[in-house]
Amino acid sequence: NAGVMQNPRHLVRRRGQEARLRCSPMKGHSHVYWYRQLPEEGLKFMVYLQKENIIDESGMPKERFSAEFPKEGPSILRIQQVVRGDSAAYFCASSPTGLDEQFFGPGTRLTVL
Amino acid sequence: AQSVTQLGSHVSVSEGALVLLRCNYSSSVPPYLFWYVQYPNQGLQLLLKYTSAATLVKGINGFEAEFKKSETSFHLTKPSAHMSDAAEYFCAVGESGGGADGLTFGKGTHLIIQP
Repeated sequence: NAGVMQNPRHLVRRRGQEARLRCSPMKGHSHVYWYRQLPEEGLKFMVYLQKENIIDESGMPKERFSAEFPKEGPSILRIQQVVRGDSAAYFCASSPTGLDEQFFGPGTRLTVL
Repeated sequence: AQSVTQLGSHVSVSEGALVLLRCNYSSSVPPYLFWYVQYPNQGLQLLLKYTSAATLVKGINGFEAEFKKSETSFHLTKPSAHMSDAAEYFCAVGESGGGADGLTFGKGTHLIIQP
């Protein structure tokens, strides 16, 4: 059973561009979580999704950030008009039922020039 | 609201020595507590978790942690450090068994093993 997959592993964008981060949960997992890790910081929760639904987005910035988890395909974290402060590692985690441990992917490291 | 404090951003121990990584939490509800390990350029791997059963929790790679409610602590220990233990360690708190909400993480402790 493959683990949580994230791509790309590294993403470089210029200020003002859009960043799209993808997360494929483990097989059989329908719960996805996104976290952001700034340098020298712990992970900060951003959003919790189930298939086609956003359950908790209390950690998402109000502007420029959005997330989806469609019926088919990976979960997408989208950042519009990126700024330098968006540079961070973005981790995705998945869980089978929402009541079990979260399994983390390897992360996407976003660099905004 | 929940929060986690990890004392010491860097901890250095000699190979074979005791490892002690400190974690204190605050939570308005009975907490679920976790320790994760992160190796360079990798995702987080669960070491162990406390979910209101036994207060002494054993995890992988010889690590264990003890939940002390009176001290609001969940310190991670290993009797004898190995070079392969060098990594970043994160303590986290949640309001459920691990998946029903987002976890709140500490800032991490970088464990350095001296030969």
